Amino acid sequence: DTGVSQDPRHKITKRGQNVTFRCDPISEHNRLYWYRQTLGQGPEFLTYFQNEAQLEKSRLLSDRFSAERPKGSFSTLEIQRTEQGDSAMYLCASSLGNSGKETQYFGPGTRLLVL
Amino acid sequence: GQQLNQSPQSMFIQEGEDVSMNCTSSSIFNTWLWYKQDPGEGPVLLIALYKAGELTSNGRLTAQFGITRKDSFLNISASIPSDVGIYFCAGQLGDFSGSRLTFGEGTQLTVNP
Repeated sequence: DTGVSQDPRHKITKRGQNVTFRCDPISEHNRLYWYRQTLGQGPEFLTYFQNEAQLEKSRLLSDRFSAERPKGSFSTLEIQRTEQGDSAMYLCASSLGNSGKETQYFGPGTRLLVL
Repeated sequence: GQQLNQSPQSMFIQEGEDVSMNCTSSSIFNTWLWYKQDPGEGPVLLIALYKAGELTSNGRLTAQFGITRKDSFLNISASIPSDVGIYFCAGQLGDFSGSRLTFGEGTQLTVNP
């Protein structure tokens, strides 16, 4: 399968714990995005990378959240000191952002439940 | 927060019927996309529109990019049970103005066989 992959698919954690999610984009896609989706809503943008550079961060991305893409390939999203309000689906998307017709392809998501 | 108004919020139709849903924005976008999402999965791209006025088809799906760049619609013809799911519109400004997608709140489609 050559699509976007995410790991884990599900994560249950206790409030106050740290969690880390991984995203592997489509090979050769230079842009990678993180979105968060709560029940009954559309995805909301968190941050994006072009290669290894983090170019934009949403105000939703509090200082407890950090994302990295160290080698311009896979990315990790870490949430420190999780809160119940962090419970959501975390979606990763990738794209080839140099053609003027950028299309983002999504992974299956990581569903986080904070108890 | 969300900037796109998507309607209707839900639809209940009979198999074989046609479906229409739309999305409006208070600001312009340079790209409109339509995604379908099944429970517990990520959104899957259906149609991408890159030019105002563009009308694009993908099988039984047809979508248009509004001429004002502030709206888009999606039509599904001759619906089948596997069309069930949540349909999202998304707008994007583009390369030099921001690549993030802004999503609507979705249209939940139920198809009765």
